Amino acid sequence: QVQLQESGPGLVKPSETLSLNCAVSGGSISSYYCSWIRQTPGKGLEWIGDISYNGYANYNPSFKSRVTISVDTSKTHFSLKLTSVTAADTAVYYCANGTRWFDSWGPGTLVSVSS
Amino acid sequence: DIVMTQSPDSLAVSLGERATINCKSSQSVVYRSNNKNSLAWYQQKPGQPPKLLIYWASTRESGVPDRFSGSGSETDFTLTISSLQAEDVAVYYCQQFYTTPRTFGQGTKVEIK
Repeated sequence: QVQLQESGPGLVKPSETLSLNCAVSGGSISSYYCSWIRQTPGKGLEWIGDISYNGYANYNPSFKSRVTISVDTSKTHFSLKLTSVTAADTAVYYCANGTRWFDSWGPGTLVSVSS
Repeated sequence: DIVMTQSPDSLAVSLGERATINCKSSQSVVYRSNNKNSLAWYQQKPGQPPKLLIYWASTRESGVPDRFSGSGSETDFTLTISSLQAEDVAVYYCQQFYTTPRTFGQGTKVEIK
């Protein structure tokens, strides 16, 4: 089964850009649709957006002006960028396989927004 | 956005007894092209990511014990654990995939009585 692993800074300053990667292993990345989902105590699970292996991205309008999801040209990982972060963006960020339901998840990475 | 509302927020069930979790969507999630309900259920244990249990409202993911079952249609759905085991203590979430943005319920915490 596919395995996913998030990576990136655990601390980001307010107004800066949060950048995370999701490495995919256990199969061909061309089989996957990567979604980014975050979890906070206050808002629970929030779908941020997704991208197909060929680069077609779909975003949650709540984030659309700030978010970019991409797949690298070598197709070994997916990326999430969220600009102009605030404390409200402090969350555990997950990448997950799937666009409808999510059948494999990374372990998640905690990102704190603080000066 | 489709709002998903779960009830109850928490429940305590004796080992071996039935646990029932409800999920209500703010609009129908029937996918007309195949007449299936676009609803998934997840289990999340502390410190772990959610784990897919059920999709299309009633299709069990491979490897999920058959004590977990999903039912319902249109806007009202149920996850049933027929005989609660100690390892089932977790928070359970429903999620609609009828449209984007995908949205989740707020979660139901299941504990042992």
